[in-house]
Amino acid sequence: NAGVTQTPKFQVLKTGQSMTLQCAQDMNHEYMSWYRQDPGMGLRLIHYSVGAGITDQGEVPNGYNVSRSTTEDFPLRLLSAAPSQTSVYFCASSVLAGGGEQYFGPGTRLTVT
Amino acid sequence: KQEVTQIPAALSVPEGENLVLNCSFTDSAIYNLQWFRQDPGKGLTSLLLIQSSQREQTSGRLNASLDKSSGRSTLYIAASQPGDSATYLCAVTSSNTGKLIFGQGTTLQVKP
Repeated sequence: NAGVTQTPKFQVLKTGQSMTLQCAQDMNHEYMSWYRQDPGMGLRLIHYSVGAGITDQGEVPNGYNVSRSTTEDFPLRLLSAAPSQTSVYFCASSVLAGGGEQYFGPGTRLTVT
Repeated sequence: KQEVTQIPAALSVPEGENLVLNCSFTDSAIYNLQWFRQDPGKGLTSLLLIQSSQREQTSGRLNASLDKSSGRSTLYIAASQPGDSATYLCAVTSSNTGKLIFGQGTTLQVKP
């Protein structure tokens, strides 16, 4: 049982490039979400999903896309990277929204130059 | 809008001391409250989850309490150790939105 896994661990992008941050969980959790963590701003919700085929926006969704084709995977796409997207990104999952304990992945540290 | 505040932002104590970390939230409409630990450069590790109907949860040297009506939670760490040094985050799940809202964290240093 690997829990929540994220790849890559580190990434450097140039402004305007696109990329996908991968997130997978093997706990059969319905609820998955993406956060970014910035100094002085804490953790902020980007997008979330309550099940396969269902996604919704969080607090800071601009510049990011998500999809949920399977229960296990929840990739986060940066469409055109900007320096403001330099951050640490965390994926999380729980049995269900609201009621369950949230499990976090190890994070992806992204730098956009 | 739900806001979560953690005081103090940083705390330094000698080894062996008992300590309390505080978390307050503005809206009592919550499903649960969760305490996490984050080591530098690492992800978040869940420590304790308290459902809205519960008053406290215990795990080893950790005890978390919840007073929903006053919008407060405390994390009590007994007999602190240098290995407890980390940032501690509290987060509430809003029953209005289903979303997890985080505090800014308390960075704890336990000195040998």
